[in-house]
Amino acid sequence: ETGVTQSPTHLIKTRGQQVTLRCSSQSGHNTVSWYQQALGQGPQFIFQYYREEENGRGNFPPRFSGLQFPNYSSELNVNALELDDSALYLCASSPGQGIGIGNIQYFGAGTRLSVL
Amino acid sequence: QKEVEQNSGPLSVPEGAIASLNCTYSDRGSQSFFWYRQYSGKSPELIMSIYSNGDKEDGRFTAQLNKASQYVSLLIRDSQPSDSATYLCAVRGINTGTASKLTFGTGTRLQVTL
Repeated sequence: ETGVTQSPTHLIKTRGQQVTLRCSSQSGHNTVSWYQQALGQGPQFIFQYYREEENGRGNFPPRFSGLQFPNYSSELNVNALELDDSALYLCASSPGQGIGIGNIQYFGAGTRLSVL
Repeated sequence: QKEVEQNSGPLSVPEGAIASLNCTYSDRGSQSFFWYRQYSGKSPELIMSIYSNGDKEDGRFTAQLNKASQYVSLLIRDSQPSDSATYLCAVRGINTGTASKLTFGTGTRLQVTL
């Protein structure tokens, strides 16, 4: 177990709806990264939060947004859901936001989102 | 050209054999390299990390890095049926702004047969 928890585990939504996914980081970690993993693909970086600020973003549209709270837990919000948003959404926490050795990202179990 | 490339497999090896998984990357500025194991329907689990050229061994796993050739590999000795999973190669390069994102390959599916 990595100590990173995500909720819910599964979610079914219809096109056009909005969804919020939640992540609690491992104790002592102040950085949370979100990834989208489509079936048969590797995880794709959505964005990263460090001490409540977004400090990097991948190639995802603005309808993907997030928050990080003072306890370093995080939310991923997706508006105007599209069929292609169906995927496993992974949250990873790490001790910091740098590239130093030991700054490992540990993944939660993920939330599987199905958009109908 | 994809940033991180892996053969999708499946790679089939008999129980007890050595499994060799390969990964190439395009960003010469990449500094850190990771192998994650992912069982079907589960989240990625860190197996190995490697930061400098050469070999790094941990139990039955050996990671090999050659930055000049932009190549990283994972060897699994004495393969077991429980090693059957998808192995994801991840690369961390220069920061995207200040974010230390991981760039993943599509993964290689390993099947260990009895």
